[in-house]
Amino acid sequence: NAGVTQTPKFRVLKTGQSMTLLCAQDMNHEYMYWYRQDPGMGLRLIHYSVGEGTTAKGEVPDGYNVSRLKKQNFLLGLESAAPSQTSVYFCASTRRGRSSYEQYFGPGTRLTVT
Amino acid sequence: AQSVTQLDSQVPVFEEAPVELRCNYSSSVSVYLFWYVQYPNQGLQLLLKYLSGSTLVKGINGFEAEFNKSQTSFHLRKPSVHISDTAEYFCAVSDDLQGAQKLVFGQGTRLTINP
Repeated sequence: NAGVTQTPKFRVLKTGQSMTLLCAQDMNHEYMYWYRQDPGMGLRLIHYSVGEGTTAKGEVPDGYNVSRLKKQNFLLGLESAAPSQTSVYFCASTRRGRSSYEQYFGPGTRLTVT
Repeated sequence: AQSVTQLDSQVPVFEEAPVELRCNYSSSVSVYLFWYVQYPNQGLQLLLKYLSGSTLVKGINGFEAEFNKSQTSFHLRKPSVHISDTAEYFCAVSDDLQGAQKLVFGQGTRLTINP
């Protein structure tokens, strides 16, 4: 049981390049989330999904797109990277309904945009 | 809209000393409160949560927190810290547990334990 995994762990992009971050969970969770973590700002929600084929915007969605084609995977895309998107990105998942309400986090992806 | 304020960005303490990490929230509806811990170069993990009932909540690793509705606070405490408690601690709030369970996080408090 690997929990939540993220690929890649590190990446350096040039301004204008595109990339996709992959999040995978093996806990059969319905809900998945993408956050970014910046110094002094905590974690901010980018996009989230409450089920396969559905996504919604969070607090800071601009410049990002997401897809949830399979229940276990949640992809975060940057179409044209900007230096302001330099951050650490975390994926999380949780079970729907009355449960522990605990979000399980992946180890993070450190992205630098030059 | 909800918001969370962690009043201290850094807290240095000596080993075996007590510690309190402060968290205040604002919300116009019933809230559910959480503390998460992030050890160096890792993801976050749940330390404890308040959903309802007793206002004193106990979590893992000897931490506890008290929900104070009148003060809109949820401060985290430990009576005696260990070097291994060195980490960043995040307070979070949700008013959406029946929906998408979205969390709003505070800015984080970096706890440094000195020998």
